[in-house]
Amino acid sequence: GENVEQHPSTLSVQEGDSAVIKCTYSDSASNYFPWYKQELGKGPQLIIDIRSNVGEKKDQRIAVTLNKTAKHFSLHITETQPEDSAVYFCRDQFYFGTGTSLTVIP
Amino acid sequence: KAGVTQTPRYLIKTRGQQVTLSCSPISGHRSVSWYQQTPGQGLQFLFEYFSETQRNKGNFPGRFSGRQFSNSRSEMNVSTLELGDSALYLCASSFLPDQETQYFGPGTRLLVL
Repeated sequence: GENVEQHPSTLSVQEGDSAVIKCTYSDSASNYFPWYKQELGKGPQLIIDIRSNVGEKKDQRIAVTLNKTAKHFSLHITETQPEDSAVYFCRDQFYFGTGTSLTVIP
Repeated sequence: KAGVTQTPRYLIKTRGQQVTLSCSPISGHRSVSWYQQTPGQGLQFLFEYFSETQRNKGNFPGRFSGRQFSNSRSEMNVSTLELGDSALYLCASSFLPDQETQYFGPGTRLLVL
């Protein structure tokens, strides 16, 4: 639904550390939760998504967890690399979070 | 498979003019959604089309309109442009509408002077 809260708005981590971004949604009917990465001058790129029938999904260094009871889902990036630096967005239906600017410091 | 394409990529217009942006979805995708992205408001949903019908609409004035053709290509139109319409306009396509995986194009950057 319309109310999608995303935190933090900015995040700096050292290369090799983990990064976690969290989104909270309000519509209990929502059942699909994607995460997008947007680099400068480009459109958002889907990096991982999860449906409500599972609690976690992993793809190499990226994972998404979903807590339907608490209505939040999180993006986890492990072993961060400089090329992970970008703005990350969550989405609930047609509504996007406000974005998290991730900077990975070499 | 080719991705979502948007034309033009850049556009400069003056206040009061109108503009038409085009989006070609991924082959086989029948749903197209449009979003406006600005630094202040973030990514905001404009509308969604599926099989030539508008299924959902965001909170934008009637100056913003769109349509979808039988080949799934979509256009959006903004009439009587205002300075605040300067933004990146993004198109996303998906196989089906509603809560489905959407793939974005590179966007059209519109500057209104």
